[in-house]
Amino acid sequence: AQSVAQPEDQVNVAEGNPLTVKCTYSVSGNPYLFWYVQYPNRGLQFLLKYITGDNLVKGSYGFEAEFNKSQTSFHLKKPSALVSDSALYFCAVRGPLGGYQKVTFGTGTKLQVIP
Amino acid sequence: KAGVTQTPRYLIKTRGQQVTLSCSPISGHRSVSWYQQTPGQGLQFLFEYFSETQRNKGNFPGRFSGRQFSNSRSEMNVSTLELGDSALYLCASSLGAQGGGHTQYFGPGTRLTVL
Repeated sequence: AQSVAQPEDQVNVAEGNPLTVKCTYSVSGNPYLFWYVQYPNRGLQFLLKYITGDNLVKGSYGFEAEFNKSQTSFHLKKPSALVSDSALYFCAVRGPLGGYQKVTFGTGTKLQVIP
Repeated sequence: KAGVTQTPRYLIKTRGQQVTLSCSPISGHRSVSWYQQTPGQGLQFLFEYFSETQRNKGNFPGRFSGRQFSNSRSEMNVSTLELGDSALYLCASSLGAQGGGHTQYFGPGTRLTVL
């Protein structure tokens, strides 16, 4: 069975400081990994994904994530946080090719950027 | 391109009633997935449809059902509503089935309140 963990319910960071939102996963084989962001009363918006290739993935709004196979992690990062980045962030994983496995989402991390 | 649309956006029902939610995917997308989002349980996968066939199903009772039409539009139905069914129901569309690592694009959701 595949799973994804977001160990922090909430992350607080000062505006202008770098931010990291953590994600670890468990899956057989090579994973597909995703990050989504959700603003209040809205659906999820896609930020970035890792399929294969470079371990550092760049996405929307200046976000990036680093795939670390040995640590089974896919942490979301941004060099300089904005107040408008405050939202709920979800990490998601899907197992390797073969079959029709569903995408599994983490429980979400609330990011609060303090002015 | 228009995004994923969901109707209605808000719905209030009473226990025992049934409800039908609708989702129109992005043009050209053939996969539609449904999720239930609640504060306590996070994002829970309901089911995925691809080319009018249910490809995957989450751990929900049989009161939850869905279907997909030839134009890829999808509906989900919940019968005999319970208070615990109050949630944000999210629809996501993708080009291919979840198995291909395709990015899911989410609609704004339908907020269902059961009284």
